[in-house]
Amino acid sequence: GEDVEQSLFLSVREGDSSVINCTYTDSSSTYLYWYKQEPGAGLQLLTYIFSNMDMKQDQRLTVLLNKKDKHLSLRIADTQTGDSAIYFCAEGRPGRLAFGKGNQVVVIP
Amino acid sequence: DSGVTQTPKHLITATGQRVTLRCSPRSGDLSVYWYQQSLDQGLQFLIHYYNGEERAKGNILERFSAQQFPDLHSELNLSSLELGDSALYFCASSGGTSGQSTDTQYFGPGTRLTVL
Repeated sequence: GEDVEQSLFLSVREGDSSVINCTYTDSSSTYLYWYKQEPGAGLQLLTYIFSNMDMKQDQRLTVLLNKKDKHLSLRIADTQTGDSAIYFCAEGRPGRLAFGKGNQVVVIP
Repeated sequence: DSGVTQTPKHLITATGQRVTLRCSPRSGDLSVYWYQQSLDQGLQFLIHYYNGEERAKGNILERFSAQQFPDLHSELNLSSLELGDSALYFCASSGGTSGQSTDTQYFGPGTRLTVL
């Protein structure tokens, strides 16, 4: 990743909430994104948040943005086994995305 | 299904060889981006094309080149391959008219390159 920090691993029980955190560096980023990558698959856009928002909710997903601390989090409510994947946060920079190294989430039935 | 297609899905080749990866963007998208995903480097941006023109370059080696054709599909050419080039190569597309950071990118399934 390019100066986008993520913790590496999270284990969560099915039905619990999971929270994935990310720290980014470019305060001028307009959009911040969360992508999901299942084993052997490509990157699926989950959600994104505009930098002038503090929170965005999309069904089971809640994104929180703390611009002052450059901290982004993704909360998944009622985590399901299908949520097992690697989650990447990314910040939008001119003409490209800068990704964190990803956070692997393992859901235990 | 994001609407972005990449071929081939898997590619196995030897060191020193040259390969071409192909990407077709979502219908109507003008921008194509290439990324490399490896275990040690994570997801790295390589290059961005907008409507046939190169717009931004990231960590792309001189041995690598890309182009976007009039029908908007793109090819990534990797030459003089080394073991360290083994990785997943993703293409993404976006529909913005300016190719800026506000354009949401949709990713293809990737091409897994193995260099032996």
